[in-house]
Amino acid sequence: DVVMTQTPVSMSVSLGGQVSISCRSSQSLVHNNGNTYLSWYIQKPSQSPQLLIYKVSNRFSGISDRFSGSGSGTDFTLKISRVEPDDLGVYYCGQGTQYPNTFGAGTKLELK
Amino acid sequence: EVQLVESGGGLVQPGRSLKLSCVASGFTFNNYWMTWIRQAPGKGLEWVASITNTGGSTYYPDSVKGRFTISRDNAKSTLYLQMNSLRSEDTATYYCTRATGRGYFDYWGQGVMVTVSS
Repeated sequence: DVVMTQTPVSMSVSLGGQVSISCRSSQSLVHNNGNTYLSWYIQKPSQSPQLLIYKVSNRFSGISDRFSGSGSGTDFTLKISRVEPDDLGVYYCGQGTQYPNTFGAGTKLELK
Repeated sequence: EVQLVESGGGLVQPGRSLKLSCVASGFTFNNYWMTWIRQAPGKGLEWVASITNTGGSTYYPDSVKGRFTISRDNAKSTLYLQMNSLRSEDTATYYCTRATGRGYFDYWGQGVMVTVSS
C-alpha cells in the first residue's frame, strides 16, 4: 500500500498568516495515464471532510484561491494564505493512483 | 445541490451484520463511481469500498474484502454497504462519497455511526 506521510501533525497560525503542509508518498503517484491523483481535504470540527484540491493543484468548485497545491512524484504541498477562522480544522492528503486509496494521518490547524 | 444522505447505522454485536444506505440527489447518479470511506473515533480516513457507475466492478481493501459488499441501485439513486462478520475495529463513522473515478472524492455525506460492541 502507498503510505502517505503528512507533516507537521499540528500547527498554530495567526489569522492572516500563511501555512504550508507537506505530504509525501512512499511511491510515485504518477498514474499510467499521466495523471497524478493527489488530493487535499479539510475536516472542520464536527463536519464531514470536504474536497479542497484535486490532481495536485486543481481547486475544487467554490474553493478560495487562498488555497494552492503543488508538487510532483512523491512530494506535495498545500499552502494556505491569509488564514481565516473558517480554515481551522484537520487537513488530509489522499492518493487515488494505486489501490487501495490511502490518506495521510492529518494535520491539525489551530489558532495561535 | 448534491446531497448524500446515509442511514442504517447503529450498535451491533461482533459477528453480526448491518447494511448501510446512501440516497443521492442533485446529480445524475448513474454517471458516477461511488465510494464508502470510514473514520474510527479520533482517527483518520480509511477507504472502504468503491463501485463503478454501472455497478459492474467493485473494489475493496484487504481489511474488509470478503466481509463487506458495496452495491447500488441506479433506479433509486441509492448506494449500499452490506457489512458482515463485523469486528470491533469496524467501529467508525461511515461516509458515502461521490467519486471521480478512482482518483478523488468530491462530495461527502454527513456520515453514519456504526458501533460494534457486545
